[in-house]
Amino acid sequence: QVQLVQSGAEVKKPGASVKVSCKASGYTFTSYGISWVRQAPGQGLEWMGWISAYNGNTNYAQKLQGRVTMTTDTSTSTAYMELRSLRSDDTAVYYCARLRVYDILTGYPLPGRPFDYWGQGTLVTVSS
Amino acid sequence: QSALTQPASVSGSPGQSITISCTGTSSDVGGYNYVSWYQQHPGKAPKLMIYDVSNRPSGVSNRFSGSKSGNTASLTISGLQAEDEADYYCSSYTSSSTWVFGTGTKVTVL
Repeated sequence: QVQLVQSGAEVKKPGASVKVSCKASGYTFTSYGISWVRQAPGQGLEWMGWISAYNGNTNYAQKLQGRVTMTTDTSTSTAYMELRSLRSDDTAVYYCARLRVYDILTGYPLPGRPFDYWGQGTLVTVSS
Repeated sequence: QSALTQPASVSGSPGQSITISCTGTSSDVGGYNYVSWYQQHPGKAPKLMIYDVSNRPSGVSNRFSGSKSGNTASLTISGLQAEDEADYYCSSYTSSSTWVFGTGTKVTVL
């Protein structure tokens, strides 16, 4: 069965960086992409970006451009999300979610695919 | 990219039907049939309930249905059950090749 297992909770000081991992199992990792979504305490969901495990292409939310980097390690079927220059309003639960990004047979992009499986979430607390 | 607009809360009695709206623009909801709906119970990860406006993933109850008209998408839950009490979020693909979520709706079963 498809599983996405994320790393544990983190506490960081303002200005620091955090790197969250998401280990995938139960499917062919390189046939899908991984999107990252965060949720501040008591707030709604915010899309952060995605990375294709097929070719490493990325697309980040404009408000996070320059502070976020998403990577994958296909040898371990793991996706990573690094967020730098942390601020208090980055305190949130960070989720990874699987989505199809490309048709593997043709290489054509598949727009608008849903996030069909989610990780359990990783709480990142930014506090001095 | 502004969040899609959803009502903050919707309630209904067991067995009733409720509908949650999700209003966007022609650059997201109105421009693509790529609207999804997610259910989130407290302290849990979201779960995909509807994709491509009206399609249900395998295993999701047929009490959940989706539709769209213009810039507004809707999720209907029929035969409301206690287990349906949760937060619901819509999501849409956008003209910037990004995704945007709705503000979220808390469903209460009376």
